[in-house]
Formats: sequence, C-alpha cells, structure tokens
Amino acid sequence: EDQVTQSPEALRLQEGESSSLNCSYTVSGLRGLFWYRQDPGKGPEFLFTLYSAGEEKEKERLKATLTKKESFLHITAPKPEDSATYLCAVRISTAGGTSYGKLTFGQGTILTVHP
Amino acid sequence: DTEVTQTPKHLVMGMTNKKSLKCEQHMGHRAMYWYKQKAKKPPELMFVYSYEKLSINESVPSRFSPECPNSSLLNLHLHALQPEDSALYLCASSQEMDSYNSPLHFGNGTRLTVT
Repeated sequence: EDQVTQSPEALRLQEGESSSLNCSYTVSGLRGLFWYRQDPGKGPEFLFTLYSAGEEKEKERLKATLTKKESFLHITAPKPEDSATYLCAVRISTAGGTSYGKLTFGQGTILTVHP
Repeated sequence: DTEVTQTPKHLVMGMTNKKSLKCEQHMGHRAMYWYKQKAKKPPELMFVYSYEKLSINESVPSRFSPECPNSSLLNLHLHALQPEDSALYLCASSQEMDSYNSPLHFGNGTRLTVT
C-alpha cells in the first residue's frame, strides 16, 4: 500500500535555529513529490515539486531535497513567520502507466518558530 | 493572495438545507478538484474534473454533488448533510490532470458547519 509518513509531527525552534523536516514514502511509480505550506484556516500553498532522486529546489530559507525513499525540507535560520504546517504529498502512476491528479498527503509537520 | 477563489468563506447550514460552494480560477487550468479537510488532518480527495468532465469520484456520498459549468468554474452542491460533514472544503486546480509537471494550486477553502 502506498504510504507517506512525515516526521516529526511537531517541531519547535528558536528563531535562527536551522532544522529539517522529513517525508518518507513507500510508493510504486512516483510521479512527483510536492511540498506545501498551510497556515491555520487557509488552503495549502504550493512550495516545491521534486521529480527525481538527487533533485534540489530552493526558495528563500527553504530547501527541498529528494532521494529514492524520502524528501527533506531544510529550513535555514527560520523566522517566526515560517511557523505553519508543512505538508508533503506524492503523485503516483496508476496501473495503466498514467497518473492522475490524486495526491497522497502525509499527516504534516507543525512548525513553530519562537522569537 | 491565492489565484483560486472560493465562496463563501464560511457557511453554516442545517441538515435539511440545500447550499452550494463555488470555486473559480483564471489560470487556464483544465483540471479542477474538490478536497475535504478535517481539523489537524491532511486534505482528502473528493472529485476530479478534467476538461469539464468528471474523471474521479472517490466514493463520495450522493449528498455531495459536483458540477463544472465551464473550465473556470467548479461548484459543489450540498443537500441533507450530516454534522460529521463539517470541515474545510478546498478547491484546487492544475494545468492538466495527468501531467507530470502539474502541481495543484489550492484556494483558501470554505469552512462548513452543519448544525
């Protein structure tokens, strides 16, 4: 069964304290791994798409990396405004070799950055 | 601001009411989605439309009825809901349903409360 597991469930950091969030997956036919940020009462905000092992993407204080079994979201020198829930999602191939829009989400990591 | 607009932001309805949720996007995307999100849980897929045709129904009860009047609009008609249907309903769109390089972009959702 396809699974996406995020860890830790919650992470509390001091401002400026760098850390990493983990997303591990056991899926067949990965066709994209996506990171989203979600603020309370809002919809998920798209951050990154990763397709192949070894790929890296960066945006401001965030850097996402991908291996064959997991993805990391590295947060460098975080600020209080980085506090949010970070969701990882994967898109997989169907048996027919195509994929469709279904994203399988992990449970998310709640990040709190204290000033 | 998100490019996927959902109305209303909040909705309270009784179990005998009929109401509709609306979603609009002007990014030229040809795939549109409805997701349901309960508190502290990840989004769960309900429906996928591709080129204005229903492509995926994730075994959603018939009290939820989707409609795609054109490529920019998506509605979700609600009838005889139960209190457990209270949740954040998210609309999303992507360039194509089956495209490898096609992340989903979410609206900010409608917070639905069924009394």
